[in-house]
Amino acid sequence: EVQLVESGGGLVQPGGSLRLSCAASGFSVSSNYMSWVRQAPGKGLEWVSVIYSGGTTKYAASVKGRFTISRDDPKNTLNLQMNSLRAEDTAVYFCATGIGYLYFDLWGRGTLVTVSS
Amino acid sequence: DIVMTQSPDSLAVSLGERATINCKSSQSVLYSSSNKNYLAWYQQKPGQPPKLLIYWASTRESGVPDRFSGGGSGTDFTLTISTLQAEDVAVYFCQQYYSTPLTFGGGTKVEIK
Repeated sequence: EVQLVESGGGLVQPGGSLRLSCAASGFSVSSNYMSWVRQAPGKGLEWVSVIYSGGTTKYAASVKGRFTISRDDPKNTLNLQMNSLRAEDTAVYFCATGIGYLYFDLWGRGTLVTVSS
Repeated sequence: DIVMTQSPDSLAVSLGERATINCKSSQSVLYSSSNKNYLAWYQQKPGQPPKLLIYWASTRESGVPDRFSGGGSGTDFTLTISTLQAEDVAVYFCQQYYSTPLTFGGGTKVEIK
């Protein structure tokens, strides 16, 4: 079955760090454009980052310099290292992908990150 | 950055009636060399991830009922639900994938009147 399963969310203090993972099955993360998209409670969707199949990465301005996207090809996993977390980073984080283009036909169920003291 | 503006914010439609959602981009998302609009539509129900409905502005994703249709080109797009069903109650988002940062519209909540 083709699916994405996120993990690693939780409660973290402002200024802290957290590492999210997204395990893929049924396809190779190295062959797809893999993205993180977040959704603050009761709000809309915000794209966070993408890693292209060739390894190039892009970030939203709101997270650039604080978040790092990567993938572990042997484990078939997408990661998001989040540092210097702020209250406004509180959201459900989804990993998502599409084939060859940057629309998303496959989403995980998301993992909740709460940044609060 | 390309700003995506959806209207209305919410919409109440009677069962069996038509629902139309608008999405406007701050610059064209039509890629001239391919003549394709880099615009997608998603449906999101509470507690669920978004579900892809439409891509290339008008191509229906496999398994999506044909009462959902997308139209428009350049900077102005629409998502139409031709005959609203109870299971269509959700929030709908448009997204441009013409350039990064990828951007979404603010969402339109569709309810039953």
